[in-house]
Amino acid sequence: DAMVIQNPRYQVTQFGKPVTLSCSQTLNHNVMYWYQQKSSQAPKLLFHYYDKDFNNEADTPDNFQSRRPNTSFCFLDIRSPGLGDAAMYLCATSRDRQSSYTFGSGTRLTVV
Amino acid sequence: AQRVTQPEKLLSVFKGAPVELKCNYSYSGSPELFWYVQYSRQRLQLLLRHISRESIKGFTADLNKGETSFHLKKPFAQEEDSAMYYCALRYGGATNKLIFGTGTLLAVQP
Repeated sequence: DAMVIQNPRYQVTQFGKPVTLSCSQTLNHNVMYWYQQKSSQAPKLLFHYYDKDFNNEADTPDNFQSRRPNTSFCFLDIRSPGLGDAAMYLCATSRDRQSSYTFGSGTRLTVV
Repeated sequence: AQRVTQPEKLLSVFKGAPVELKCNYSYSGSPELFWYVQYSRQRLQLLLRHISRESIKGFTADLNKGETSFHLKKPFAQEEDSAMYYCALRYGGATNKLIFGTGTLLAVQP
């Protein structure tokens, strides 16, 4: 099945230790998005790629970076995770800028 | 600034009762609204979008620009409708960015 896959499902990292979350897709969609969802809050857009074009949200902390080495993969790097970065991280794709999203299952990040 | 509000965190109804999940938005441009659903242990998925004007799984939603609302309705709730429902607004012109509400957990009791 064509889909969006996020690995790992659960990630525990130490305070201040860099961590990378991964998203891959077999849909060949042009656009990939990263959302952060804290407990009982709405998913919040961090950034997105339209093809290789990176688009950062104005209020996304510098601590968060992203890479998209090819169409299929997109990574979320947190350089120095703090306790406040504990959240569910959702990856989504869309074929283009008019299409609906396809979501991955998310990675739940715990910072200890 | 754009905003989506879902006032109810939890909505509990009995099977066969009507359901209305509320969503209000704030946006200066021409709004495009969506409902996404997340069943237990599954990923978020699109339920419906206002431009399609369709009924999915018995759910409908009408965009009311005067009241800036996009409430989700179903005349007779089923137990399998129990899930988390998120209202979302497309903003940012042609960028296809979505802003979500905080979600409403619908619990359908037998």
